[in-house]
Amino acid sequence: QKEVEQNSGPLSVPEGAIASLNCTYSDRGSQSFFWYRQYSGKSPELIMSIYSNGDKEDGRFTAQLNKASQYVSLLIRDSQPSDSATYLCAVKRVYKLSFGAGTTVTVRA
Amino acid sequence: SQTIHQWPATLVQPVGSPLSLECTVEGTSNPNLYWYRQAAGRGLQLLFYSVGIGQISSEVPQNLSASRPQDRQFILSSKKLLLSDSGFYLCAWSLDRQNYGYTFGSGTRLTVV
Repeated sequence: QKEVEQNSGPLSVPEGAIASLNCTYSDRGSQSFFWYRQYSGKSPELIMSIYSNGDKEDGRFTAQLNKASQYVSLLIRDSQPSDSATYLCAVKRVYKLSFGAGTTVTVRA
Repeated sequence: SQTIHQWPATLVQPVGSPLSLECTVEGTSNPNLYWYRQAAGRGLQLLFYSVGIGQISSEVPQNLSASRPQDRQFILSSKKLLLSDSGFYLCAWSLDRQNYGYTFGSGTRLTVV
C-alpha cells in the first residue's frame, strides 16, 4: 500500500468551475498535511497546509482534512487557466514528508 | 526571509562521470535538509535527509551519496553516474517543527548520456 495516494488524473475542468482533488494516506500517526502545486518543468510550491480536522480556506483554495478517514482534499474554486498544473498531496510524520504521485489539472478556457 | 539556492539548473553528463550538486539555505539556522529526485512523469522520491551537520540519513540505496559540511549546505554526489540517475533533483529545507512544510529549491535537471 502506498503511503499517500491521489485520485488519478488528468483532471480537466472548464474555466470558472470547481476542481476537486482527493488524497488518502496510510499512516495514522501523520500529523501535518500539505498541498503543493508544480508547474511543468518547475519545482513544487507550497500552496496549502492543514493540521486539524475540518476546512481551511485561503483565497480560492480550500483544504479539507478528516483524520478518522485518513483523507485530505483540495478544492480550487473559480478555476483559472493559471491553475493548470500538477498538484501534489504531502503528509508529514516527524522529519519526513511523503508525497503522492500528483494529479494533473487542466483548466479549459 | 529564508531563501534556498540550488545549482546548476541544467547538467548533461556522460555515463561514468562524477557528480556534485550543491544546495545552500540563507536566512535560517539548523534547518532540516532534503534531497529528492523526480524521474520524468513520476512522483518525488526522497533520497537523503539531514537534521544536523555531518548527519545524513539515506532512504534508498543507490549510486549516490550526500554530505552536509556546513549548517546550511547540502551536497549530493556520485562517483560514477548511471543512465538511470537522470532526473530532476530537488533540494528542500524545513524547520524541526511538525507543522512546517518544505520549501524547495529551483531544481537541477540532470541528463546522463
